[in-house]
Amino acid sequence: EDQVTQSPEALRLQEGESSSLNCSYTVSGLRGLFWYRQDPGKGPEFLFTLYSAGEEKEKERLKATLTKKESFLHITAPKPEDSATYLCAVQESGGSYIPTFGRGTSLIVHP
Amino acid sequence: DGGITQSPKYLFRKEGQNVTLSCEQNLNHDAMYWYRQDPGQGLRLIYYSQIVNDFQKGDIAEGYSVSREKKESFPLTVTSAQKNPTAFYLCASSNGMTGELFFGEGSRLTVL
Repeated sequence: EDQVTQSPEALRLQEGESSSLNCSYTVSGLRGLFWYRQDPGKGPEFLFTLYSAGEEKEKERLKATLTKKESFLHITAPKPEDSATYLCAVQESGGSYIPTFGRGTSLIVHP
Repeated sequence: DGGITQSPKYLFRKEGQNVTLSCEQNLNHDAMYWYRQDPGQGLRLIYYSQIVNDFQKGDIAEGYSVSREKKESFPLTVTSAQKNPTAFYLCASSNGMTGELFFGEGSRLTVL
């Protein structure tokens, strides 16, 4: 069973159509949850870190939120340049500090 | 500019050959990592190193080897023992035990 599950696997939106990506996790204790953006053929780029339930972070059209079992990446009025794969990673408290990655959500925003 | 440099970006290998992927960072980070990414898969950890002259196996270390002789450098060798080496390889670094990783641009290895 995967510790980090992202859904949906792929998402197609029209420009301006807001939506959310989900990252659910099953670790017993959360040290940190991380969101990354990855463009095709490139390395992931760090976006946000969330540490505790109720925490929120924003950057331009992106807003990340965290509950005790999942995180959402809300995309408001997306533009075509927001098209990318979004990766979620979880760092478990009390164990190895190495983050575990989900499989990602591929987002395509059509003009 | 500080960052991580991976080379080569593309590499072709014949079966039975060892190849070495380079990873250099000038961020003064202690920790460095190697991940493998396959289509539809998450990032899978191959090896990681917290300090010079020390490294640990990740989830899929079989068929790979690494060295950490300098803080700035963490090369990965894909040996002929790796049964399915065609993949996208990512090197990353971090400042201590944080999940905020800085990634290189990746190296795509294709076995012919």
